[in-house]
Amino acid sequence: ELKVEQNPLFLSMQEGKNYTIYCNYSTTSDRLYWYRQDPGKSLESLFVLLSNGAVKQEGRLMASLDTKARLSTLHITAAVHDLSATYFCAVDIPGGGADGLTFGKGTHLIIQP
Amino acid sequence: DAGITQSPRHKVTETGTPVTLRCHQTENHRYMYWYRQDPGHGLRLIHYSYGVKDTDKGEVSDGYSVSRSKTEDFLLTLESATSSQTSVYFCAIGAGEDTQYFGPGTRLTVL
Repeated sequence: ELKVEQNPLFLSMQEGKNYTIYCNYSTTSDRLYWYRQDPGKSLESLFVLLSNGAVKQEGRLMASLDTKARLSTLHITAAVHDLSATYFCAVDIPGGGADGLTFGKGTHLIIQP
Repeated sequence: DAGITQSPRHKVTETGTPVTLRCHQTENHRYMYWYRQDPGHGLRLIHYSYGVKDTDKGEVSDGYSVSRSKTEDFLLTLESATSSQTSVYFCAIGAGEDTQYFGPGTRLTVL
């Protein structure tokens, strides 16, 4: 059974600081996804990481994937209040290309002025 | 935004009643999914479909059934709703190297 663990689950930080969210998963997968969710809203796709060593950046967010360590990170640089949200990582369920995603429990991020 | 709509957006029902949630897409995508989101659990896969009339179970399928008679529509049915099925339900499309795109969600309350 595929397990996806995120940490921390809750993070309060100040504007201007840097921080990293970690996503560990238990079985082999070459595809990892990061999503953002604002309160009461749907999920918004941030990154799709498709291979070992993949790194993607968008604004103040950068995601990376180490398939050998089964670890992905989401790094926040010089945080701003607008980045406050819940962030989820998700991994393809093993067994074939389209069997759905297994999600972590999410990291609730609050960025304070 | 991907063309995904869900209906209804909110529903309150009573224990033991049947409930059907609808997901409609305009992207002509082959793969469609139903997830539920509960506090402390993230999202969990209920059922998915890889084509018309082709469906399979996910992690938390007990108490749910699905149907897909057209590419654009994926229905989720709770045959006899229970309080444990109170949740937010999300439909999604997409697979593989493409991300999954999520619908706006349906908030279901079972009293």
